[in-house]
Amino acid sequence: EAGVAQSPRYKIIEKRQSVAFWCNPISGHATLYWYQQILGQGPKLLIQFQNNGVVDDSQLPKDRFSAERLKGVDSTLKIQPAKLEDSAVYLCASSSLRGRGNTIYFGEGSWLTVV
Amino acid sequence: KQEVTQIPAALSVPEGENLVLNCSFTDSAIYNLQWFRQDPGKGLTSLLLIQSSQREQTSGRLNASLDKSSGRSTLYIAASQPGDSATYLCAVQEYGNKLVFGAGTILRVKS
Repeated sequence: EAGVAQSPRYKIIEKRQSVAFWCNPISGHATLYWYQQILGQGPKLLIQFQNNGVVDDSQLPKDRFSAERLKGVDSTLKIQPAKLEDSAVYLCASSSLRGRGNTIYFGEGSWLTVV
Repeated sequence: KQEVTQIPAALSVPEGENLVLNCSFTDSAIYNLQWFRQDPGKGLTSLLLIQSSQREQTSGRLNASLDKSSGRSTLYIAASQPGDSATYLCAVQEYGNKLVFGAGTILRVKS
């Protein structure tokens, strides 16, 4: 079974530029998550999708971050304009059901450096 | 708001030692608690998942316990090896499937 795929793996941009990250979840997984992990901290949920609907985006900085999951499969996370504090690894994850205690599978992450 | 705390922040032990990593959480309304491993430059690998109704789970040299009423979990690693060196993250899964993570414990096992 293929895992969660993310691209690009690494990106360096200047502040005020834009960047987009792509995620393809495990086939058949209805729930998709984007987490932000700043160096030395645990991952923080940015947005959670159930199929193509947003379940939780309470911690997404909506003035600069946006995410979409068209057709309920893959997803794109965009940052525009980027700030220095956006330097982090962006982890995509998926799970099979929005139910009780389902295992969540993580991709290897997209590493962003803003200079 | 759920908060997850992990102690210690870093740990260095000689090979062969048994060790315990600690995790505490503030809200006991959880589905489960999970322990993850993160290697440098890599994503998260799930190690153990303990349902809220369970007390412990074991996988090989790893044993995780959960005391939901006191908001605590421990990860026990027996006979540590250099290959166990990594960051260990504890996360609680809240209703709605959201994971709330601690900041992690950086483990170094010296040969």
